[in-house]
Amino acid sequence: ILNVEQSPQSLHVQEGDSTNFTCSFPSSNFYALHWYRWETAKSPEALFVMTLNGDEKKKGRISATLNTKEGYSYLYIKGSQPEDSATYLCASLSGGYQKVTFGTGTKLQVIP
Amino acid sequence: EAQVTQNPRYLITVTGKKLTVTCSQNMNHEYMSWYRQDPGLGLRQIYYSMNVEVTDKGDVPEGYKVSRKEKRNFPLILESPSPNQTSLYFCASSLHQAAQSFFGQGTRLTVV
Repeated sequence: ILNVEQSPQSLHVQEGDSTNFTCSFPSSNFYALHWYRWETAKSPEALFVMTLNGDEKKKGRISATLNTKEGYSYLYIKGSQPEDSATYLCASLSGGYQKVTFGTGTKLQVIP
Repeated sequence: EAQVTQNPRYLITVTGKKLTVTCSQNMNHEYMSWYRQDPGLGLRQIYYSMNVEVTDKGDVPEGYKVSRKEKRNFPLILESPSPNQTSLYFCASSLHQAAQSFFGQGTRLTVV
């Protein structure tokens, strides 16, 4: 994988459903992976910074896992709420550890 | 309050008229960067700076200049804007390159 890819591109879920999405990134020269939450008309806000293979992070109902050997990270949202509606971005830091490459995001809409 | 401040928020300009978008952070962060957001393409890094007087090209530097004379400021300069630079621009800062980024409010630039 040469770029950072996120899937699905968009997702509609019912309130209360749990959901997850994927971020794939180049596994060679991996340094760090970031997850951000981006609400419409606002700026991206950091959720997690992950660096170690097998890392698991949690913030309330949102959690993330990291597999650096195969180059993917999962973001999970348990019991989705309408306020979770946003675009979720991942960003990979690799190579010279200085450039940051973002995926195009997963747009989540939670239907009340 | 810890923040990244960009100005202006909105700008309409004409082709060829030099402009500067300012970015300032009050968190004593070393790493700062500029991104542009275009539909379907995700956030793309234009330039980044590891510290004062240290700047380097991101993925889409053509047509842009930056400077980092002080730690807190990282202005983006468009010497001769063209319509293909119409975009939403974000400035971001972080403690170091692998740490979570704090984003400014965004600048929506239209070049006619």
